[in-house]
Amino acid sequence: EAQVTQNPRYLITVTGKKLTVTCSQNMNHEYMSWYRQDPGLGLRQIYYSMNVEVTDKGDVPEGYKVSRKEKRNFPLILESPSPNQTSLYFCASSQFSNTEAFFGQGTRLTVV
Amino acid sequence: QKEVEQNSGPLSVPEGAIASLNCTYSDRGSQSFFWYRQYSGKSPELIMFIYSNGDKEDGRFTAQLNKASQYVSLLIRDSQPSDSATYLCAVNGRQAGTALIFGKGTTLSVSS
Repeated sequence: EAQVTQNPRYLITVTGKKLTVTCSQNMNHEYMSWYRQDPGLGLRQIYYSMNVEVTDKGDVPEGYKVSRKEKRNFPLILESPSPNQTSLYFCASSQFSNTEAFFGQGTRLTVV
Repeated sequence: QKEVEQNSGPLSVPEGAIASLNCTYSDRGSQSFFWYRQYSGKSPELIMFIYSNGDKEDGRFTAQLNKASQYVSLLIRDSQPSDSATYLCAVNGRQAGTALIFGKGTTLSVSS
């Protein structure tokens, strides 16, 4: 089954404790991205990757890191989480940047 | 700043009626247009995509695109209570790596 898998689905952590949210896709897609979704603000892109070892900032990259060492994986790293990073996070993949995006199940992150 | 605008709603329609959802975009160079449905707390799922001016029909859904007016719409015929969700319009530009820009979504409520 074609899918994008994120883990964990729910995470509560404390300020400053490094965390990683994993994302994996099995569709051999070139393009992957991370979004955060907040009430009233909609979906905003954090980082994207056009291919292995190629990543770039989206609209709200501050406080986040990513890497793309393999085509299928695109982890999101929060080196020192803060409460304003409490949000619902989605990973997405698509064949190219302008084609249909498939979303993971989402990760609800709470930073206290 | 590239923008995608949607009426936040809620849009309320009775069961069996036609629901009309609208979206405008600011980047005249946009090439790809998508409608996603998102249930509360769930990930967005693609309903329709459209690339050319005119109408595209898929079952009860019709997407309409007018590039001259920078306007894209989604019609849902014979609306069902299960159609109650938030509908996200997404637009993409022609350049490689251009991210999908999402509107903030329109909440649709279908009453039985």
